[in-house]
Amino acid sequence: GAVVSQHPSWVICKSGTSVKIECRSLDFQATTMFWYRQFPKQSLMLMATSNEGSKATYEQGVEKDKFLINHASLTLSTLTVTSAHPEDSSFYICSAGHWSYGYTFGSGTRLTVV
Amino acid sequence: GQQVMQIPQYQHVQEGEDFTTYCNSSTTLSNIQWYKQRPGGHPVFLIQLVKSGEVKKQKRLTFQFGEAKKNSSLHITATQTTDVGTYFCAGPPNYNTDKLIFGTGTRLQVFP
Repeated sequence: GAVVSQHPSWVICKSGTSVKIECRSLDFQATTMFWYRQFPKQSLMLMATSNEGSKATYEQGVEKDKFLINHASLTLSTLTVTSAHPEDSSFYICSAGHWSYGYTFGSGTRLTVV
Repeated sequence: GQQVMQIPQYQHVQEGEDFTTYCNSSTTLSNIQWYKQRPGGHPVFLIQLVKSGEVKKQKRLTFQFGEAKKNSSLHITATQTTDVGTYFCAGPPNYNTDKLIFGTGTRLQVFP
């Protein structure tokens, strides 16, 4: 089945620094990938849609200058949390697939900003 | 915007008991999907329902899509400790998108 690899699994960074998270589709090409954010014991909140070769589409209320998304190839999308602050600490998950056969999620990245 | 609510928020059951979670969307859905997320893990796709009134079964799990395509349910018969996790329904916010909006989730705890 489809495999989505996400790295790193966890990261601790200092406040004010930037963190890059990678999401790769290993055995299929993904023109579209999705980035979610999940706080403890809460649901997944869609942050943005990553589109290969074009700009990402952000959901309402998500700061595009803070959460930079790049989808430079058919198998790789990256999310960069810029100038991270403690309130950005969360679980970030990417997904890819198609509505007709379901979406595959990466294993997630737990970000802690200290 | 679209809202997808699930009830109950939490459910604790004794192993062997049945469990049901209900999903309600504020808008009509072209399809609905169900995912399971184990504690500390990521969501895993379970099933997709497309047709009005559709019922699908996977071993002890039964999924239903409402006639109006605005609600759905997941029923687990004779729960096992391996069923522990959070169950999410998810659907697209409109008919012309691949995006998914996730429901609020139901966390299931099974006591042996």
